[in-house]
This record gives sequence, structure tokens and C-alpha cells, in this order.
Amino acid sequence: GEDVEQSLFLSVREGDSSVINCTYTDSSSTYLYWYKQEPGAGLQLLTYIFSNMDMKQDQRLTVLLNKKDKHLSLRIADTQTGDSAIYFCAEILGGGFKTIFGAGTRLFVKA
Amino acid sequence: EPEVTQTPSHQVTQMGQEVILRCVPISNHLYFYWYRQILGQKVEFLVSFYNNEISEKSEIFDDQFSVERPDGSNFTLKIRSTKLEDSAMYFCASRSESTDTQYFGPGTRLTVL
Repeated sequence: GEDVEQSLFLSVREGDSSVINCTYTDSSSTYLYWYKQEPGAGLQLLTYIFSNMDMKQDQRLTVLLNKKDKHLSLRIADTQTGDSAIYFCAEILGGGFKTIFGAGTRLFVKA
Repeated sequence: EPEVTQTPSHQVTQMGQEVILRCVPISNHLYFYWYRQILGQKVEFLVSFYNNEISEKSEIFDDQFSVERPDGSNFTLKIRSTKLEDSAMYFCASRSESTDTQYFGPGTRLTVL
């Protein structure tokens, strides 16, 4: 079935690294995504990784993909209070016809 | 940078009334989507639309829902007779032919009283 699983909460201190984990089910997904949602706001595309890649780095963000275990992670280096938000892992199914989202991980950053 | 826009940002309606949520996708995009997020829950796929017809729809997208591209720029979601459980944030998304990546609008918060 189609499902994306994430842990619900993560709390870190400002300046530490955050690692948000996700597992997905559809091995045919060509892209996997991380979206950020701040309170009351829309979905901001943070980064994505193509399924034939193991790692992608984009400034403070590092995405790791383990296709064998269907495991995706997002590492945020030097986490700031402005990074406090909900982070959604997502995969594209059906030739790009729909995105399946995880439940979202709420990241709390303590000053 | 081009972006998806949605109006209104917040819509309040009485149960049983019809609502139309509007979206302006990114101008060269050809694939359009609606998703919804009930407060505190997952973002759920509703429908995808391409070449003036529905490509795929979820079980949520029943006969009370319809989508339309009335002109070259707008993409609308109509709920014919709203129910309390339709209260949610509704997100529109679009993508081009060259990528699977979908770009989301800021959402319309629908409150059904």
C-alpha cells in the first residue's frame, strides 16, 4: 500500500544538528521530497532527491536515501529557531499524478 | 520566482452551501492538483488534472467535488454542498511536463459552520 511514515516530534537545541527520518513504501518512486510548513502557512518545497542518488547536499540541508531499506532522512546542520516547523516527507506516485505525504515531524528548536 | 497563488486565504461558509476555491497555477505548468489537510492531520491527495480532464482522484473526491479550468489561468475546486467535515486547509499544486516536482500554493482555509 501507499504509506509514508515519520516520527511525530523532534526537539533540539539551537546550533545542534537535527535529523528527521522517514520510511516510504513505493520502490518505484522517482523522486522523494522534503516540504516545510510553518504555523498557518503553506507547503514550502525544501529539497528533493532523485531515486538513483544516495545523498544530496544543499547548504545546511543534507538528504540521505537508502533505497534498499526505503529510508530517507533530512539533516539540518546548525539548527536555528527559524527552522521550527513541521517537516513532511513525500513521495510521488503514479507517474507524477499524486504526492503521498507522511504525517509530518514537528521540529522544536530550543534557544 | 513564479509561484502558485490561491484565493481566498480563508473562507467561512454555512453547512450545505456551495464553495469555490480558486487557484492560479504557475503559468507554463500543465498538471494541476488539489490536496487537503484537516487540522493536525496528514496532507491528503484529492485529485489531479491534465489536458482538461481528471487524471486520478482519491476516495475523498466524491460527487460533491468537482474541478474545472474555466480559462487559461485559473483552476478551481467546487464543493457543492459543504459538510462540517470539509473544514480543512485546501492546497493547490502544479507542475510542468519536464519534472515530477509539484509546487504548492499557500492554501485556502475552509471553515464550515
